[in-house]
Amino acid sequence: GAVVSQHPSWVICKSGTSVKIECRSLDFQATTMFWYRQFPKQSLMLMATSNEGSKATYEQGVEKDKFLINHASLTLSTLTVTSAHPEDSSFYICSAADNSGNTIYFGEGSWLTVV
Amino acid sequence: GDSVTQMEGPVTLSEEAFLTINCTYTATGYPSLFWYVQYPGEGLQLLLKATKADDKGSNKGFEATYRKETTSFHLEKGSVQVSDSAVYFCALSDRQTNAGKSTFGDGTTLTVKP
Repeated sequence: GAVVSQHPSWVICKSGTSVKIECRSLDFQATTMFWYRQFPKQSLMLMATSNEGSKATYEQGVEKDKFLINHASLTLSTLTVTSAHPEDSSFYICSAADNSGNTIYFGEGSWLTVV
Repeated sequence: GDSVTQMEGPVTLSEEAFLTINCTYTATGYPSLFWYVQYPGEGLQLLLKATKADDKGSNKGFEATYRKETTSFHLEKGSVQVSDSAVYFCALSDRQTNAGKSTFGDGTTLTVKP
């Protein structure tokens, strides 16, 4: 069935560097994907809506210059955390709905640790 | 906007006990409702879902019924096991207003003791 795949699953980076996380829809095309962040022992909070071929829509309080989202194709959205700091350490997860809109698929998630 | 209110945890039960985790929602449209489970150090797994009023979602002994009159989607299991220990999230997605965007409750941590 349809699957959304995220990569990498785990990443450790140094403070001040940038890290890219990929989200791919494997069996369907996704004009819209969503990026969420989950801090330890907290819920998932929507960061932004990724729109294929256009700018992402960011939720209030999310810095668009820090969390760069690119949705260049119908099967790939990327989230780049720029100039990462330890407070950016979190679990990042993407999702996409299939073409019917009835089923939502989540990626496996990416654990980011900034040291 | 849309919101999900979930029963606060943590919840600790003995094996074979009955489980209920309450979930209520607020939505302007006609949402689909979901329960997700997250095991320690892992991502989200869809547990069950219901897409319209009076639908019952079920999986692995868990059940939840979409109650439009009470805007609720309570999760139940008749006999929990130690392996059910995890964090459970109630969520909604309104296909008509924003296809695929999910709103999550705060999560309820369940611990089942042998």
